[in-house]
Amino acid sequence: EADIYQTPRYLVIGTGKKITLECSQTMGHDKMYWYQQDPGMELHLIHYSYGVNSTEKGDLSSESTVSRIRTEHFPLTLESARPSHTSQYLCASSAPGLAGGMTGELFFGEGSRLTVL
Amino acid sequence: KQEVTQIPAALSVPEGENLVLNCSFTDSAIYNLQWFRQDPGKGLTSLLLIQSSQREQTSGRLNASLDKSSGRSTLYIAASQPGDSATYLCAVRFFSGGYNKLIFGAGTRLAVHP
Repeated sequence: EADIYQTPRYLVIGTGKKITLECSQTMGHDKMYWYQQDPGMELHLIHYSYGVNSTEKGDLSSESTVSRIRTEHFPLTLESARPSHTSQYLCASSAPGLAGGMTGELFFGEGSRLTVL
Repeated sequence: KQEVTQIPAALSVPEGENLVLNCSFTDSAIYNLQWFRQDPGKGLTSLLLIQSSQREQTSGRLNASLDKSSGRSTLYIAASQPGDSATYLCAVRFFSGGYNKLIFGAGTRLAVHP
């Protein structure tokens, strides 16, 4: 069973508010990811990190930002939420792969469903 | 271009049937392939991970096969149950210029009715 946790699970806020979605994992994984998923639609990678102080933008442009100060923690922040940010945000981490440092199995949290009014 | 396709997009079957879900990918240079299950409004649960050197993996009623040369993987579900109803996603990790890139399929939405 994966030990990766997201809070809050559900959040309803007004336009213009600053929000932070929390993601923590206790597996010691270096690689962590944020995906965005609209209902019934595909997952889109918006941020990833290969370790402490490493963050990169993903395939889908996002107005959110991330930080990676500790291995186990990868929070996502929206400085000024808008209705277009309404979506589900999924955090994931990956185990080390086989020899060569490649990436192994991917584990997901339960997701944070954000609604911006 | 590296792509992952899942067919069918949706499937509805009576309880007890054996099922095959398909995943195809365009590039045989893969590192691994992972099958996930997603319940509505929830995160993804890892079902099976197949390394590129493996041909299949099994867990309970689930069996996943991998054929790199033809760019295909199948997820076999034996004796389906209503609790198997969910969306099943295939994710392929491709080699990409010294790194690896994970690409998800769009999923197969499965409904198993009593």
